[in-house]
Amino acid sequence: KNEVEQSPQNLTAQEGEFITINCSYSVGISALHWLQQHPGGGIVSLFMLSSGKKKHGRLIATINIQEKHSSLHITASHPRDSAVYICAPRAQKLVFGQGTRLTINP
Amino acid sequence: GAGVSQSPRYKVAKRGQDVALRCDPISGHVSLFWYQQALGQGPEFLTYFQNEAQLDKSGLPSDRFFAERPEGSVSTLKIQRTQQEDSAVYLCASSLGTGEGYGYTFGSGTRLTVV
Repeated sequence: KNEVEQSPQNLTAQEGEFITINCSYSVGISALHWLQQHPGGGIVSLFMLSSGKKKHGRLIATINIQEKHSSLHITASHPRDSAVYICAPRAQKLVFGQGTRLTINP
Repeated sequence: GAGVSQSPRYKVAKRGQDVALRCDPISGHVSLFWYQQALGQGPEFLTYFQNEAQLDKSGLPSDRFFAERPEGSVSTLKIQRTQQEDSAVYLCASSLGTGEGYGYTFGSGTRLTVV
């Protein structure tokens, strides 16, 4: 069973493009994390949100609890944004999506 | 420490060997989680501690996997008689509390390769 679905699974874009990654989940949650994982690296928590919208620099995360959907947006994308982005809704524990592999070409 | 520390960073084990993976959470963090991440996949939950109590071990794939956190700080994930399918990155995460207001901090992981 897939409790968390992310789309797209892979995304390649040119530098400067606006990026959107979507996450739909079926579990009841108290919060949702967006995480970033670089190749060979650990995981960095970008956002934790339970309602509405959060912004940090060029990153924006939104969540609609009723629709069980969240999105991560990157404005003015840059090659250093290339990484795997993981959606992780939190019930008692985190449930991870499969991740979206983002590649930004210069 | 400033972050969650995991050791070793890399481990190569011969099939059948026992391994022990260590996680040093942020001081004072109550919750500690272990996850297993196979190549190209998202992390999968293994087990969860609240202080020294192991509240959920439903994700441990077999009885060869054992985790402990005897003093409510450092945790060790032990895998006995390793098999090739155990090859993965093992991630540890800690959280100050259990409520929804508390974020997670992840370690860099231990990459286990069973040959």
